[in-house]
Amino acid sequence: QSALTQPASVSGSPGQSITISCIGTNSDVGSYNLVSWYQQHSGKAPKLMIYEGTKRPSGVSNRFSGSKSGNTASLTISGLQAEDEAEYYCCSYAGSSYVFGTGTKVTVL
Amino acid sequence: QVQLQESGPGLVKPSGTLSLTCAVSGGSISSSNWWSWVRQPPGKGLEWIGEIYHSGTTNYNPSLKSRLTISVDKSKNQFSLKLSSVTAADTAVYYCARVDNSGLDFNYWGQGTLVTVSS
Repeated sequence: QSALTQPASVSGSPGQSITISCIGTNSDVGSYNLVSWYQQHSGKAPKLMIYEGTKRPSGVSNRFSGSKSGNTASLTISGLQAEDEAEYYCCSYAGSSYVFGTGTKVTVL
Repeated sequence: QVQLQESGPGLVKPSGTLSLTCAVSGGSISSSNWWSWVRQPPGKGLEWIGEIYHSGTTNYNPSLKSRLTISVDKSKNQFSLKLSSVTAADTAVYYCARVDNSGLDFNYWGQGTLVTVSS
């Protein structure tokens, strides 16, 4: 059960859009439409941003969107804001278990 | 609003057993949800540890299964984690979380508690 692969870092200027990829396998991302994304600010607990691959919980900005193609899930942040600077993790259900991504540090330039 | 709160010793000796409890408030542990533990070593990523249903059914991370026990106490509305034979590699912030019963995502989290394994 290996961690899902994410880029270590992604950066963008305020107002720009960025996309974070999350590469899994046929045993996790590719088999289930159950990818979630979490935002984690330093020293804080993770916060759910996207669930079931594309859905946003109540209260999460519509600047966050998710997608999936094959074994790869993606998180897009549009209209980047300073408050979006954080670590982001994907997570996939893998049949009676879960696997997290390696994490991506988002920097707002 | 569901709230989760981890508690337990912040320091455990090598080869000892790490024990944590997660108290659930604002909701029942007997609801149709699984309850999970997730950990994060300092400066590193998240790792799923395992989960339990109120019936006592568990699922464990295969890499930890031989050392891990997760249990539930419905009378106290809480669930617990025991990890045996710990080493420095088990030093981490440990989070408890509720699993949504349809999206299978972690929609509620505790604040986390740091456990250090050291003599």
